[in-house]
Order: sequence, then structure tokens, then C-alpha cells
Amino acid sequence: DTAVSQTPKYLVTQMGNDKSIKCEQNLGHDTMYWYKQDSKKFLKIMFSYNNKELIINETVPNRFSPKSPDKAHLNLHINSLELGDSAVYFCASSQGFRPSTDTQYFGPGTRLTVL
Amino acid sequence: AQSVAQPEDQVNVAEGNPLTVKCTYSVSGNPYLFWYVQYPNRGLQFLLKYITGDNLVKGSYGFEAEFNKSQTSFHLKKPSALVSDSALYFCAVGGGATNKLIFGTGTLLAVQP
Repeated sequence: DTAVSQTPKYLVTQMGNDKSIKCEQNLGHDTMYWYKQDSKKFLKIMFSYNNKELIINETVPNRFSPKSPDKAHLNLHINSLELGDSAVYFCASSQGFRPSTDTQYFGPGTRLTVL
Repeated sequence: AQSVAQPEDQVNVAEGNPLTVKCTYSVSGNPYLFWYVQYPNRGLQFLLKYITGDNLVKGSYGFEAEFNKSQTSFHLKKPSALVSDSALYFCAVGGGATNKLIFGTGTLLAVQP
């Protein structure tokens, strides 16, 4: 059974387009996250939602907008894609409501390539 | 500010030998320390976590980590490396005043047959 799933796995698109990445977790967790991993494998948190409420919002361009329709889903919409947005985006989830101490479980990642 | 450092970009070890992947941290208050592993083209997998108590934490796949408060370190260890252990390993720190998990830059472990 897939615990944290993301779609699509690969996304190739042109500059200026708008795209979405979807994430779902079937662990019954209360908190979900979006991370960005750049080409040097550096991992940085972007957003976190607890039970549909935004609790972490890092310094991310407002072209990135997370949406959580329910606590099992956290989608990431990106407007006006730029070359620098090319990266692997990971979704994660955790049981409690303390992002800095709860164990996080990661999805398989979405590799976004902007041409 | 909280931070975590992985001083080695890559660690090379022969199969069957013990391995150590180093991690040091800085946090105000009690640290929560994690190790994750990332295989090529995969997501991060949780290995182990230190909260409090015993300084030696045992985790998945035969890995363990030793918490050393005086040296502010949390090194990952395994007594006998396998080729299949070759992957990217991330240390992470939480707790204290931060509301998020801070990841290190990762250490690539290469186990030679």
C-alpha cells in the first residue's frame, strides 16, 4: 500500500505555463508538507498544512500556492513557471501537529523540468 | 539559529567494513535528531530518531546512531556495510525554538564490493 503518493512522477513543461502537483496520504496523518530538492540535493521546506490550515509558509514566490481540500490531500499549484523552478518536489506527512519533532514520511517525488 | 552539518560530501567504505556518517547540530533546547536515506530517484525514507533517553538509537536496516551531547553530534553507524547501503543520507534536526525540520546537505555513501 502506498503511504504518501504524488502525481505526476515526471513533469516537463515550457516556461510561463501553469502546472499542479497532487499529493495524497493514506496514513491518517494530520500534517502535510511540500519540500523542494534542488540539483545539489539540498532539501528545503516550502509549506506545511495541519488539518487544512497553513502552519509553515517559507519565503517562496507567490507563484507557488498550496491547496489542501482535506487533511489527506495537499496539492501544489505553480503559476508562470520559470527555469529555476526545475527541481524535485517532495510531499511528506506526519502524525501530529509539530513539524519540528514529529517523524515525517515522504512521497516518491515529482521531477519538474522547465524548458 | 538551529543548524545541522554533514561535513563529508561522500564516504567510501568496503563491503563488510563498519561505516560512519557524521552529523553535528546546533539547537537551542533539547534536540530532536533524525536520519533519512534517499536511494536514487526515490523519496526519503526514515531510518531512526533520537528524542531523549538512551544515547544509542537503533533503526532500520541495521543502522544505529549515537547521540553525543557534549560534542553535539549524532553520527550514523553500521557494523558491516552492504553494497545495497549505497545511497544519500540526510541528518535532520528539530525541536527547540524552530517550527520546522532542518536538513543537512546530505552525505553520499558508496560501498564498494
